Amino acid sequence: GAVVSQHPSWVICKSGTSVKIECRSLDFQATTMFWYRQFPKQSLMLMATSNEGSKATYEQGVEKDKFLINHASLTLSTLTVTSAHPEDSSFYICSARGSGALGLMNTEAFFGQGTRLTVV
Amino acid sequence: AQKITQTQPGMFVQEKEAVTLDCTYDTSDQSYGLFWYKQPSSGEMIFLIYQGSYDEQNATEGRYSLNFQKARKSANLVISASQLGDSAMYFCAMRERDAGNNRKLIWGLGTSLAVNP
Repeated sequence: GAVVSQHPSWVICKSGTSVKIECRSLDFQATTMFWYRQFPKQSLMLMATSNEGSKATYEQGVEKDKFLINHASLTLSTLTVTSAHPEDSSFYICSARGSGALGLMNTEAFFGQGTRLTVV
Repeated sequence: AQKITQTQPGMFVQEKEAVTLDCTYDTSDQSYGLFWYKQPSSGEMIFLIYQGSYDEQNATEGRYSLNFQKARKSANLVISASQLGDSAMYFCAMRERDAGNNRKLIWGLGTSLAVNP
């Protein structure tokens, strides 16, 4: 299947600093990328949808100024957690969808490995 | 109202036996897709199987099969010949369009599967 790579796998940062998480599609062009947050023992919560070259669409209740999303190319989207606080500690995971292709490339099937963020 | 319902918070199965994980969904769309994912303790989300709403045959991928009953709006995952490595959380998800016609996945709460030796 298609490969989506997310980096870093885990990060510890100090309160008040910013953290950038990268999501790359390695073998296909991802016109749309999705960013999720997952609390322990819970399901995935969609934070935002980003389309290449345009502004991200944020879900209700997600602070767009705190969670900055950039999708500048067809293979890279970034999520920046600005002025991180301990309550931002969570597991963040992205998925990517291609377009114009047949089969699963045109679905939301493929996820990155996830990033475990701890803010101290 | 929950659009994806996974009624089994936890399941146990004996190694080498088959297990069925339940998933029911609710949508008024004619075109939708159903996904199953496996999430081990490492956190990665592993795609297992996909069923499109217009697919007439049940999807199969190796030891995984999806029992798709459209009229009942159920999409149960069947794992045959369970292995110890199958112990993980399993999520059912449905792709549909929101009010803005954007495609997104709606997720169930998951089922924790433990395979006993």
